[in-house]
Amino acid sequence: GESVGLHLPTLSVQEGDNSIINCAYSNSASDYFIWYKQESGKGPQFIIDIRSNMDKRQGQRVTVLLNKTVKHLSLQIAATQPGDSAVYFCAENSGNLGNQFYFGTGTSLTVIP
Amino acid sequence: NAGVTQTPKFQVLKTGQSMTLQCAQDMNHNSMYWYRQDPGMGLRLIYYSASEGTTDKGEVPNGYNVSRLNKREFSLRLESAAPSQTSVYFCASSENYPGLAGIETQYFGPGTRLLVL
Repeated sequence: GESVGLHLPTLSVQEGDNSIINCAYSNSASDYFIWYKQESGKGPQFIIDIRSNMDKRQGQRVTVLLNKTVKHLSLQIAATQPGDSAVYFCAENSGNLGNQFYFGTGTSLTVIP
Repeated sequence: NAGVTQTPKFQVLKTGQSMTLQCAQDMNHNSMYWYRQDPGMGLRLIYYSASEGTTDKGEVPNGYNVSRLNKREFSLRLESAAPSQTSVYFCASSENYPGLAGIETQYFGPGTRLLVL
């Protein structure tokens, strides 16, 4: 079966610093990836996505990097703010008809003021 | 535009009781999903409805049933609740089901926290 995992369960950063959250996947056929943010007591919220034909994609204060060679992606958050404190997890999909999304367990990010 | 809404927010059941979790979306999405989220585990798909009138099993369907009532609503039923079904349940929707035509981002509701004693 699929496996999507995160390297670190928790991450603490100082306000204003950059954060990097990592995710590994095992399905070499995966060609679409999403990062979600989940605040305490709330549902997952879409942050940014990337297709396998890209190595990097940037959003507002966030960048996702994809390394297909080692099946690894990362989420970089610039100038981390207290409102960024949440659990972040990745999801992957191979894009095949009938294929499901598979979700990682998440990394808890704490921003220290 | 409320997005995806779920009711109830919290529920406590005794073993053997039944209940239905409700989900509705106002984004005119074709596809809807039910997930459960347990500590230390990623979201796991219970059932999904790729389009109105269809439902299919996901990764962990045992002990659950679903009904796609109309395009907006997708309910999840526990006929005889068990402690192993204690979890947080999330409903999600996407414009279409992931397929060859493209990839579909899912939008999640706020969740239902269920405790089965």
